[in-house]
Amino acid sequence: DGGITQSPKYLFRKEGQNVTLSCEQNLNHDAMYWYRQDPGQGLRLIYYSQIVNDFQKGDIAEGYSVSREKKESFPLTVTSAQKNPTAFYLCASTSSGTGNSPLHFGNGTRLTVT
Amino acid sequence: GQSLEQPSEVTAVEGAIVQMNCTYQTSGFYGLSWYQQHDGGAPTFLSYNALDGLEETGRFSSFLSRSDSYGYLLLQELQMKDSASYFCAVRDGVTGRRALTFGSGTRLQVQP
Repeated sequence: DGGITQSPKYLFRKEGQNVTLSCEQNLNHDAMYWYRQDPGQGLRLIYYSQIVNDFQKGDIAEGYSVSREKKESFPLTVTSAQKNPTAFYLCASTSSGTGNSPLHFGNGTRLTVT
Repeated sequence: GQSLEQPSEVTAVEGAIVQMNCTYQTSGFYGLSWYQQHDGGAPTFLSYNALDGLEETGRFSSFLSRSDSYGYLLLQELQMKDSASYFCAVRDGVTGRRALTFGSGTRLQVQP
């Protein structure tokens, strides 16, 4: 079955450490996205990529980095520069990146930094 | 930029009808989308409206009025499993950024 896989489901890190969240899709989608969700809040866009080897900053990119070396993969690194990294991180993809193509989401990674 | 406003919570009883509203401000408009998210889960796509009017899919309907920058999601014959958060979302039309901006969501509680 096609879908988006995020791993791990739960991640714990010490403050000051970088951590990379994995996102893999086998839907053959061109566009991929990273969103952050805090308790009781909506989704905020961190980074997105329309095509391999290209990505754009979203609304809250500071303290994060991404790469898009393969169509299937869009890993997100949460760096030590991110002041409040504890959150629920959601990866998504869509076929064409247009407004009417629905986003397919992974099951998320819940990151806790202490 | 764009912003969306949604009521934070709605409570309804099983079998009833509930309407969840969304007002938006955006420099350009490429349609209004709705997503459902159960606690701890992934958001799933429900509907998309590009033109004015009502779109129906089973128990779910979504309405759009572009002149009022307003839309709503209507759920009929409510079931306990409908308890979830519902998010409206728009795409940035002016900058061409091909990504959705989400509202803060409405948390729906269905009671027996």
